[in-house]
Amino acid sequence: KAGVTQTPRYLIKTRGQQVTLSCSPISGHRSVSWYQQTPGQGLQFLFEYFSETQRNKGNFPGRFSGRQFSNSRSEMNVSTLELGDSALYLCASRRGDTPGPLEKLFFGSGTQLSVL
Amino acid sequence: QKEVEQDPGPLSVPEGAIVSLNCTYSNSAFQYFMWYRQYSRKGPELLMYTYSSGNKEDGRFTAQVDKSSKYISLFIRDSQPSDSATYLCAMSAGGAQKLVFGQGTRLTINP
Repeated sequence: KAGVTQTPRYLIKTRGQQVTLSCSPISGHRSVSWYQQTPGQGLQFLFEYFSETQRNKGNFPGRFSGRQFSNSRSEMNVSTLELGDSALYLCASRRGDTPGPLEKLFFGSGTQLSVL
Repeated sequence: QKEVEQDPGPLSVPEGAIVSLNCTYSNSAFQYFMWYRQYSRKGPELLMYTYSSGNKEDGRFTAQVDKSSKYISLFIRDSQPSDSATYLCAMSAGGAQKLVFGQGTRLTINP
């Protein structure tokens, strides 16, 4: 069974640009969550999508947005990039039948975003 | 103050040593506690999962939760070089509440 796939693996952008990251969950998983990981703040929850609807949201500005398609694939978009957006962006999937932490999360290897 | 505090290390110990990793938290509503392991250039993977207080053992790994002190620990016995990774604690109040992660502790086991 293929794992969670994130593309691209690395990305370099400049301030003010926008970026779109992609995540393909494990087959059969309908929930996709996005996390930002930085050395200073650790792993922070961005949002969760289930069946094309945002089910939960973290404390990030509106520049961070996402969507989920009918095949459960998800994209995350960051507009007007800032230097502080440089981070590893991780996607995690699970079946999603039960909201919350009772179901194991499977993480992808992430997209390393550098903003210059 | 962060909801979950974890010493980022780095922590370096010799092979065979007992390793103790810890997190403290401030939200008394947390009742689900997890430990994730993250190898370099990989995403985190779930290592241990504990509900409420008490101990849980899985092979060389033991997770402890002390809700009265708002303190959780992960012990690794007979540590191996393959245990070298970043260990993240995570916790949740349950239901639809999101997981809150610690910063992660970078651990190196020296042969």
